[in-house]
Amino acid sequence: QSVLTQPPSASGTPGQRVTISCSGSSSNIGSNTVNWYQQLPGTAPKLLIFNNDQRPSGVPDRFSGSKSGTSASLAISGLQSEDEADYSCAAWDDSLNGPVFGGGTKLTVL
Amino acid sequence: EVQLVESGGGLVQPGGSLRLSCVASGFTVSSNYMSWVRQAPGKGLEWVSVIYSGGTTYYADSVKGRFTISRDNSKNTLYLQMNSLRAEDTAVYYCAREVRAYTSGWYLDYWGQGTLVTVSS
Repeated sequence: QSVLTQPPSASGTPGQRVTISCSGSSSNIGSNTVNWYQQLPGTAPKLLIFNNDQRPSGVPDRFSGSKSGTSASLAISGLQSEDEADYSCAAWDDSLNGPVFGGGTKLTVL
Repeated sequence: EVQLVESGGGLVQPGGSLRLSCVASGFTVSSNYMSWVRQAPGKGLEWVSVIYSGGTTYYADSVKGRFTISRDNSKNTLYLQMNSLRAEDTAVYYCAREVRAYTSGWYLDYWGQGTLVTVSS
């Protein structure tokens, strides 16, 4: 059971906007920044969003992150077939004194 | 270009040992925080261990006392020695470079391709 809670699946059609939620607690999301990772089928995770809403160089601005209280969201606009992947949220947890992850959300582009 | 390449995974019997390696290029391992993260089949990511640039190490409770993280500065390589392996340790193990900054918090910016460890009789 993952410390951060994500829906197991999400879907959308090309061009659509989809959002993926990530729920935590006061010891993790509530007091620390949130990161998002994209994992294309059969590949390693790739940093997508850090510091709640910052994109590393090379990540398209179609991807955006936000945080409010003990929850965070990843939004993907102008959905493309190559966005089909697993998306995981993560944050530092002050109580566990270590990082925690969500269980991952499998995004399907219909 | 930053690159991380893991090796050393394989099939091992319960109670056995395995040592994973992660060769880094494009940056210096000893100047960075380096982590191991694993992903069991069909499951989410789980942090395993970290080694700070100063050499301090930390472990997840699930592996404490059984796993040891270390590095060889001359080889720019990170290691994970895994002893007393259990079926629940079966996973793909990734090494990753960790960033911690006051202004941007904690995150893992570069990951290796992973190496599969299967614990089974």
